[in-house]
Amino acid sequence: DSGVTQTPKHLITATGQRVTLRCSPRSGDLSVYWYQQSLDQGLQFLIQYYNGEERAKGNILERFSAQQFPDLHSELNLSSLELGDSALYFCASSVGPTGEETQYFGPGTRLLVL
Amino acid sequence: AQSVTQPDIHITVSEGASLELRCNYSYGATPYLFWYVQSPGQGLQLLLKYFSGDTLVQGIKGFEAEFKRSQSSFNLRKPSVHWSDAAEYFCAVGARNYGGSQGNLIFGKGTKLSVKP
Repeated sequence: DSGVTQTPKHLITATGQRVTLRCSPRSGDLSVYWYQQSLDQGLQFLIQYYNGEERAKGNILERFSAQQFPDLHSELNLSSLELGDSALYFCASSVGPTGEETQYFGPGTRLLVL
Repeated sequence: AQSVTQPDIHITVSEGASLELRCNYSYGATPYLFWYVQSPGQGLQLLLKYFSGDTLVQGIKGFEAEFKRSQSSFNLRKPSVHWSDAAEYFCAVGARNYGGSQGNLIFGKGTKLSVKP
């Protein structure tokens, strides 16, 4: 158990819908990362937050957004869902914001868009 | 741009045999390097990491990896594979932007390991 929790574990929805994925980082970690894992793209970085502020953006679509709340949990919002958004979404956390920090991954949320 | 290449998509080894999974990275400076393992239906678990110092690093579950700057490689090894090692293995490099404040990982495509009894 990494100490990072993600809910829900599975999500099935329809095209055009909007969903929210939730992540609670390890106790004491200030940085949260979101990654998308799909068969064709592999593991892709979406967005990073550190202590409530956006730190870096990766290959995140405009239909997707995220935020980190004062209690440091984070939510990833996916809207106008398309079939291609079906993937495993991971949240990871680390103490600090930089690349030398070890990132601990949650179990992921598996999203299926029908 | 930073990138990670894992040339082997799928490897099959016999239980008890040795294992080496290859990883090559493209990065301008000394990278932060990681190996993660993902079992079916599970999240990513950190096996080991290299930041600096001794180029041979030891990890959990009997794994080790060697950083070779001249070859831009960070290969993962295990002297004797167990059936429970069957999983997918990901090599990653810690990204760094110009200001040094970005921390995301750049992953390779992964190598799936199958273990024959």
